[in-house]
Amino acid sequence: AQSVSQHNHHVILSEAASLELGCNYSYGGTVNLFWYVQYPGQHLQLLLKYFSGDPLVKGIKGFEAEFIKSKFSFNLRKPSVQWSDTAEYFCAVNNNNAGNMLTFGGGTRLMVKP
Amino acid sequence: DAGVIQSPRHEVTEMGQEVTLRCKPISGHNSLFWYRQTMMRGLELLIYFNNNVPIDDSGMPEDRFSAKMPNASFSTLKIQPSEPRDSAVYFCASSLLQDNTEAFFGQGTRLTVV
Repeated sequence: AQSVSQHNHHVILSEAASLELGCNYSYGGTVNLFWYVQYPGQHLQLLLKYFSGDPLVKGIKGFEAEFIKSKFSFNLRKPSVQWSDTAEYFCAVNNNNAGNMLTFGGGTRLMVKP
Repeated sequence: DAGVIQSPRHEVTEMGQEVTLRCKPISGHNSLFWYRQTMMRGLELLIYFNNNVPIDDSGMPEDRFSAKMPNASFSTLKIQPSEPRDSAVYFCASSLLQDNTEAFFGQGTRLTVV
């Protein structure tokens, strides 16, 4: 079975601060990795995804994530956050052997102070 | 495409009543997922379908919950009888049943059982 852990449940930053949200997964085989964002009152939207190739993935709105296979990690980063980045961020994993069943981490609530 | 469409957006019902949530996946997608989101438990996968067939319903909390997918363009999640602890946001998501693809989420149905 696959599982995902997000270690930071709540993060508060000031604008222009750098962001790194941790994500670790457990699954022994090949995985696909995702970060979704949920703005207040809205549905989940895809931020970025990793399937294969370059382990450093660029997403929308200046976000990036790095897949480190040896650490089973897929941390999300942004060099300078904005107030509009206030949202909840979910790391997720699926694998091609499980019918694309997507397993989510517990989420990290980010608040950016103006 | 209009994306994944869920209805209703909001539902308030009395305890003991039957509730039916509806989802229309993106045209051409052949995997469909139902998730429940609460503050306490985060995002939980309830059930998912591939090619209209239920694959894994281990996340369905009780026999009061049932889901159907009579055709490729429609799915329902039914709760009968509803209880206050069922209050949550229910998301439907769809994807292609193929390697290396992401899921797209609907706007969700906010259910309140009083």
